[in-house]
Amino acid sequence: NAGVTQTPKFQVLKTGQSMTLQCAQDMNHEYMSWYRQDPGMGLRLIHYSVGAGITDQGEVPNGYNVSRSTTEDFPLRLLSAAPSQTSVYFCASSYSSPGMRTQYFGPGTRLLVL
Amino acid sequence: GIQVEQSPPDLILQEGANSTLRCNFSDSVNNLQWFHQNPWGQLINLFYIPSGTKQNGRLSATTVATERYSLLYISSSQTTDSGVYFCAVSNAGGTSYGKLTFGQGTILTVHP
Repeated sequence: NAGVTQTPKFQVLKTGQSMTLQCAQDMNHEYMSWYRQDPGMGLRLIHYSVGAGITDQGEVPNGYNVSRSTTEDFPLRLLSAAPSQTSVYFCASSYSSPGMRTQYFGPGTRLLVL
Repeated sequence: GIQVEQSPPDLILQEGANSTLRCNFSDSVNNLQWFHQNPWGQLINLFYIPSGTKQNGRLSATTVATERYSLLYISSSQTTDSGVYFCAVSNAGGTSYGKLTFGQGTILTVHP
């Protein structure tokens, strides 16, 4: 199993540009989520999904869109990048059954918005 | 929302020493996990432990849900244990079970 994969590893954008961060998992996990990590602030939840076709907002959803058309993929879209979105982005996934909700993280995408 | 406080914020050890990291949370939880972020940024899940005690090699964790805290024990520390340790919790029900709130982390440095 590849686990949770993310692409790209690093990206530089100009203010106003759009892009999609890709996330995929091959563990047949129902639950997937996106976090951002900023220095000194830990990780904060952006959006999450409990299955194909079902998404919801986390703590910091503004400026980001998600969709989930398959169990495996959960892309994060930045519609119009802003310098405040400079961060490291992590995707995570887990099973939904109680007792099996260990979250597995991808390697992260480092985003710089100029 | 639920508040998570980790202590100490920084910890410096010599190789071979033991340590205890603490996570306090402000409300009852149904999901608590400990993670290690290595110096390369990778987040590794150490324990899923909403209650009780678990052990995995030199690491063990205990969550006392009624008193709203969890402890992570590292014995015989090694330089590879260096990094940031995060506690993350959730008390959301229904389909929001995975909405983890992270603490600020404990930065552990182990010297040879």
